Amino acid sequence: AQTVTQSQPEMSVQEAETVTLSCTYDTSENNYYLFWYKQPPSRQMILVIRQEAYKQQNATENRFSVNFQKAAKSFSLKISDSQLGDTAMYFCAFMKLYSGAGSYQLTFGKGTKLSVIP
Amino acid sequence: GAVVSQHPSWVICKSGTSVKIECRSLDFQATTMFWYRQFPKQSLMLMATSNEGSKATYEQGVEKDKFLINHASLTLSTLTVTSAHPEDSSFYICSARGDRAGEQYFGPGTRLTVT
Repeated sequence: AQTVTQSQPEMSVQEAETVTLSCTYDTSENNYYLFWYKQPPSRQMILVIRQEAYKQQNATENRFSVNFQKAAKSFSLKISDSQLGDTAMYFCAFMKLYSGAGSYQLTFGKGTKLSVIP
Repeated sequence: GAVVSQHPSWVICKSGTSVKIECRSLDFQATTMFWYRQFPKQSLMLMATSNEGSKATYEQGVEKDKFLINHASLTLSTLTVTSAHPEDSSFYICSARGDRAGEQYFGPGTRLTVT
């Protein structure tokens, strides 16, 4: 079974500054995806960024980028130029692919509550 | 594209009654849908995986007879909470698997309050 650990229950950052959210995971799988999801107060889950495990290059989406360290099983999210709208819960998630039971299921970490301070 | 809807967004029911929650993929066909439960200030916990035309697969600890899941078409999955009790009060979220590997789209969630 997979586990996802987010060790920072809460974080805060000044508007326009940079913040990094940590995530580690444990798996024996070789084919998998990693995700960061954002859940604002509306509670709608929003995909922030996705990383395929077979890709060495770190994924980026505008102000969001990841540091994917496969050997260390680490997957941190960096938010640059933080904006007030970034205030939300952030969940790191793992998805196993292509191998029977449990494929395509998401396993979530406990989340990090990020507050962007004006 | 890739929109998932849930209905209702909020439901209040009396203890002992049943309530049905619908999850629809609006602009794509979803062979696989997932149901999650989220308690306040907690993470999402997978309840079950439903595949169109077959029985749902429930996670350990989830009561199959209490949480009935039906995936009768490629665009609709339903979760029925039977004989609801106050401890079933929670936020229920569905998601649908997309066409490309790794894609999963979330509905807006349903808040269930059992009085």
